[in-house]
Amino acid sequence: DSGVTQTPKHLITATGQRVTLRCSPRSGDLSVYWYQQSLDQGLQFLIQYYNGEERAKGNILERFSAQQFPDLHSELNLSSLELGDSALYFCASSNGVLYGYTFGSGTRLTVV
Amino acid sequence: AQTVTQSQPEMSVQEAETVTLSCTYDTSESDYYLFWYKQPPSRQMILVIRQEAYKQQNATENRFSVNFQKAAKSFSLKISDSQLGDAAMYFCAYRSTGANSKLTFGKGITLSVRP
Repeated sequence: DSGVTQTPKHLITATGQRVTLRCSPRSGDLSVYWYQQSLDQGLQFLIQYYNGEERAKGNILERFSAQQFPDLHSELNLSSLELGDSALYFCASSNGVLYGYTFGSGTRLTVV
Repeated sequence: AQTVTQSQPEMSVQEAETVTLSCTYDTSESDYYLFWYKQPPSRQMILVIRQEAYKQQNATENRFSVNFQKAAKSFSLKISDSQLGDAAMYFCAYRSTGANSKLTFGKGITLSVRP
């Protein structure tokens, strides 16, 4: 157990639907990062939050949004889903001092 | 913007042998961190080794070591005495020194280990 908890582990939904992915960071970590891993694109940075505030944005579609709550857990909302959104979505956390991230086990999203 | 390149999509090694995975990166920064992550079939991202750019000494973690060539912007991973459990996808990653900077990943290399 890495200490970063992602739910659900698997999600199957239809095109046009909306889903919410949840991430609880490791205890003490204030930063949360979301990444998308698809077969042909590798790991793509989506967005970062630090202590409730958005800090950086990557290749995140307008149909996607995220937030970090006062208890530091984060949610990634994906709407108007398309087949191409099928991917593994990772959350990672960092305490800003250590060099690397701690990753969750990911949410496998399948859009049918 | 920083970029990370892993030009070999796949590699194979015989069990107990040594293999080297290549990675190059591009940056204008003088200080930064480099990482190798392992992603086994379980899909969990596992930190293998990290290197601080200001350190000349190459990092080592048990059977894993790196060859860090700062001037050439090269950061290769050497796996000694390869084991079946080393079979996985390996990602090279770059991070600036800012406390909350993001990781930039290469596209990864799939390593298979032959028994």
